[in-house]
Amino acid sequence: AQSVTQPDIHITVSEGASLELRCNYSYGATPYLFWYVQSPGQGLQLLLKYFSGDTLVQGIKGFEAEFKRSQSSFNLRKPSVHWSDAAEYFCAVARDSGYALNFGKGTSLLVTP
Amino acid sequence: DTAVSQTPKYLVTQMGNDKSIKCEQNLGHDTMYWYKQDSKKFLKIMFSYNNKELIINETVPNRFSPKSPDKAHLNLHINSLELGDSAVYFCASSQGVGGTSTDTQYFGPGTRLTVL
Repeated sequence: AQSVTQPDIHITVSEGASLELRCNYSYGATPYLFWYVQSPGQGLQLLLKYFSGDTLVQGIKGFEAEFKRSQSSFNLRKPSVHWSDAAEYFCAVARDSGYALNFGKGTSLLVTP
Repeated sequence: DTAVSQTPKYLVTQMGNDKSIKCEQNLGHDTMYWYKQDSKKFLKIMFSYNNKELIINETVPNRFSPKSPDKAHLNLHINSLELGDSAVYFCASSQGVGGTSTDTQYFGPGTRLTVL
């Protein structure tokens, strides 16, 4: 079954510093991968997604992610973090049949001044 | 305009009660979902519907019954509520083509259910 692992439960970065959130997936074929962000008390918003093609994917809010098949990873990056980026970040993989996403357990991002 | 809306936003009730959560999407999507987010923020699919047809029914107690009166609505009815049902329930929708969820899912704001 398709699954994702987010190894970091919490990450703290200083405002203006770079950010990388890790995501590893388990899947036999080419996965469909997503990053969602959940601000406190809010629903989830899609940051970016990867289906095929260019392995470096650009998203909203200055985020990007790189698909690395050899490492089974889809890490999320941002060159300079803003205080408003503090949120919960979820990596997800689409099931290959049926309509659903399998989510990782999330990484909570704290941004310090 | 709210794309995916849920009512109520908060629901506090006693054990043993029956309650419903409503979801509506105005995006013209064919597929709708219910996810449960537990206290550790883990999100798990409960149900998905495509064109009013139940596609996914995860290992959810049969006290949970989804109902899709039309493509724009997917309601969740819960019978005999238990303490463990306390969670945030998210509705989502997507265009839903090709039999898989490869397109963007749009999430509602969530319903925080607290069972006392």
